[in-house]
Amino acid sequence: GAGVSQSPRYKVAKRGQDVALRCDPISGHVSLFWYQQALGQGPEFLTYFQNEAQLDKSGLPSDRFFAERPEGSVSTLKIQRTQQEDSAVYLCASSLPRMRGYNSPLHFGNGTRLTVT
Amino acid sequence: AQTVTQSQPEMSVQEAETVTLSCTYDTSESDYYLFWYKQPPSRQMILVIRQEAYKQQNATENRFSVNFQKAAKSFSLKISDSQLGDAAMYFCACPAQGGSEKLVFGKGTKLTVNP
Repeated sequence: GAGVSQSPRYKVAKRGQDVALRCDPISGHVSLFWYQQALGQGPEFLTYFQNEAQLDKSGLPSDRFFAERPEGSVSTLKIQRTQQEDSAVYLCASSLPRMRGYNSPLHFGNGTRLTVT
Repeated sequence: AQTVTQSQPEMSVQEAETVTLSCTYDTSESDYYLFWYKQPPSRQMILVIRQEAYKQQNATENRFSVNFQKAAKSFSLKISDSQLGDAAMYFCACPAQGGSEKLVFGKGTKLTVNP
């Protein structure tokens, strides 16, 4: 079946512009995650949804970052007034919910590489 | 803060030989899964293998196996008969504290496979 789909694959923004990154999770996956991956680093957690509810947004670096998943499927990560330090790959992942207390594997998209000039 | 440590930023291996990538983690959870992910240049993170912490037996998936030492909180990945297609970044991950759905990742190890 179809995997996690992210768009655009590349985005170049001038400093101060707003950007919106889209994620289509695997059908039936109730959990959706956004991660930020700086060059040469591991993914860093940004936020997490279960269906349409945003249950954890502790990783969002500032109030310029906003994520939504209004119908419990597609999610959008929005970054307002982009800064150079926002340049990174933004990864979306989806999964089935925890079962018997165990984390389900995350299924990742190809990511969006954001470059802020 | 919870940490996942991969102490080898880069590793190289000859084709057909064996290589081991190390990972240590810190968690207060009693039962959990641990994961190894592979990230080729295409950027997509691919699950390689997972280990259930309560199981004594080390997980294996074809040429990939783990050496899990729960008391030491060590979770290394062994790749046997290395192939050119194994070249990638490898990340280990463990669940965040408190029964969270989210995973915490290490900084990764870049694996080069030499022909």
